Amino acid sequence: QVQLVQSGAEVKEPGASVKLSCEASGYTFTSYSINWVRQISGQGPEWMGIINPRDGSTTYAQRFQGRVTMTRDTSTSTVYMYLRSLRDEDTAIYYCAKRIDSSLNIFDYWGQGTLVTVSS
Amino acid sequence: DIVMTQSPDSLAVSLGERATINCKSSQSVLYSSNNRNYLTWYQQKPGQPPKVLIYWASTRESGVPDRFSGSGSGTDFTLTISSLQAEDVAVYYCQQYYTSPPTFGGGTKVGIK
Repeated sequence: QVQLVQSGAEVKEPGASVKLSCEASGYTFTSYSINWVRQISGQGPEWMGIINPRDGSTTYAQRFQGRVTMTRDTSTSTVYMYLRSLRDEDTAIYYCAKRIDSSLNIFDYWGQGTLVTVSS
Repeated sequence: DIVMTQSPDSLAVSLGERATINCKSSQSVLYSSNNRNYLTWYQQKPGQPPKVLIYWASTRESGVPDRFSGSGSGTDFTLTISSLQAEDVAVYYCQQYYTSPPTFGGGTKVGIK
């Protein structure tokens, strides 16, 4: 069965960086793009970007351009999201989510989420 | 970016009664070449990630009970729970996938009256 397993909770100070991981299993890793979506408490989800595991190509949401990097390791079927220059307002649950097919941004499987707390 | 606006923010419905959630997009998400609305609905229970209920505005995902239905076209959409069950208590989100970036509504919290 399809599973996306994310790394554990992080606590960071403002200005620091965080690297989250998302390990995929149960399907052909290179066949479906992985998205990162974050959710601040009490708000709707917010799309951050997408990575194609086949070739590593990425597209980022404009508001995160310059602060986010997504990479993948095909040998371990793992996707990483690196977010730098953290601010208090980056405190959120970060999810990885698999695309339902090659072209549609419908997210059919999600990781369990990683809570990132930014606080001094 | 397309802005998705949901209403109401929350509603409480008696068990067995109908719940109706509205979603409005700032521009049409109907693709004329295939006559499909690029709109999906998710259900999110506390402590869980969102789960797809409906896509193409009205197609239920496999395994989703038929008390959930979606309707609408263009910019105005509705999610209806025909007979609310206790396990339907959750927050519901609409999301457009017509253009990038995909964008979500602010959510509607459904509870029991």
